[in-house]
Amino acid sequence: GENVEQHPSTLSVQEGDSAVIKCTYSDSASNYFPWYKQELGKGPQLIIDIRSNVGEKKDQRIAVTLNKTAKHFSLHITETQPEDSAVYFCAASDEKLTFGTGTRLTIIP
Amino acid sequence: GAGVSQSPSNKVTEKGKDVELRCDPISGHTALYWYRQSLGQGLEFLIYFQGNSAPDKSGLPSDRFSAERTGGSVSTLTIQRTQQEDSAVYLCASSLAGHLYGYTFGSGTRLTVV
Repeated sequence: GENVEQHPSTLSVQEGDSAVIKCTYSDSASNYFPWYKQELGKGPQLIIDIRSNVGEKKDQRIAVTLNKTAKHFSLHITETQPEDSAVYFCAASDEKLTFGTGTRLTIIP
Repeated sequence: GAGVSQSPSNKVTEKGKDVELRCDPISGHTALYWYRQSLGQGLEFLIYFQGNSAPDKSGLPSDRFSAERTGGSVSTLTIQRTQQEDSAVYLCASSLAGHLYGYTFGSGTRLTVV
């Protein structure tokens, strides 16, 4: 089955700086790669996704890149704000999502 | 409804008792998933329903766990003879037609076995 590794497990950045979270996956058949944001006491919320026929996707301050050859994908958040503080999960999917172990992002005012 | 609804939001039960967790998916979503999230951990896949197909039960940790989905809508996750290691947040998600359309998660049921 699919195995997703996510790094780092914790990340602290100054407000206004950029944050990068990286994931690798094992199953070359995976073709869908979403990112979720989870705030305390809530379920994960989809923030951006990318499909295997696309190398990069951007939505305002958030971007995701995918390298299918190397089997890794990354989340980039620019101009970070305090409300970006949360736990972020990457996932990879062939038929169902397999999640990474999460990154706790803290934005320092 | 507007989102995925789970009930109860919190459940405390005694070791050995059975519990039922309920999930109401978004209307029209054919795919429904259950995940488990232990404290500070990632999301562990449990079971997946897609339309009228046989469910993918490959993530259920033991035969004490079962789930059903009635009429292609509401789903119930049942845990029999609960153990302390079953304590976790149980998350339900639904998707329009499968994994390529993204999941919408509910807020989860926090289960505590004492």
